[in-house]
Amino acid sequence: GQQVMQIPQYQHVQEGEDFTTYCNSSTTLSNIQWYKQRPGGHPVFLIQLVKSGEVKKQKRLTFQFGEAKKNSSLHITATQTTDVGTYFCAGRPIPYNQGGKLIFGQGTELSVKP
Amino acid sequence: NAGVTQTPKFRVLKTGQSMTLLCAQDMNHEYMYWYRQDPGMGLRLIHYSVGEGTTAKGEVPDGYNVSRLKKQNFLLGLESAAPSQTSVYFCASSYLSFRDSSYEQYFGPGTRLTVT
Repeated sequence: GQQVMQIPQYQHVQEGEDFTTYCNSSTTLSNIQWYKQRPGGHPVFLIQLVKSGEVKKQKRLTFQFGEAKKNSSLHITATQTTDVGTYFCAGRPIPYNQGGKLIFGQGTELSVKP
Repeated sequence: NAGVTQTPKFRVLKTGQSMTLLCAQDMNHEYMYWYRQDPGMGLRLIHYSVGEGTTAKGEVPDGYNVSRLKKQNFLLGLESAAPSQTSVYFCASSYLSFRDSSYEQYFGPGTRLTVT
């Protein structure tokens, strides 16, 4: 079946270091969304990428969508303790499905040591 | 505006017992979803609904049933709970999507279910 693989599963960094998580889909995606889940919380939407090669920035966070629309990445510059949590990518596969269903990656759990 | 709410927040069941999880949203969203989250496996779709009175199976539907009698509510039922259904359950909702665009999903706070 359609899958979205996300690596790494865990990442431990020192505060101030950079962090990157990668998503790879087995099929072409219509769009990809990114969510953040704080420890004990629920996923919260961060951003959506739609166009091939698209790059979007939110302060220290940079999101990229691959040219083939099969992979994506999230890069955090100079991590802070407030960045702690699990980051999920979620792709909407082609052919388009009813109900706007997303396929979630396994998530990358980020811990930041002060 | 409460967003997406879920009840209960925690529940412990014995094998074979049944229960219903309730999800409610006040954003007039067409789509609603039920996910389960297990360590290292991300969020897996159990069932979803594209509108009042409609439901469909997701990735892992076995052992669960759903109903959406009202647009704002989406119920998830476990008829005979099994230890493999120990998980955190999240409900989510979104506006309807079109061919080449989607809308973000809004998640509820989750229900932590343990089946012994």
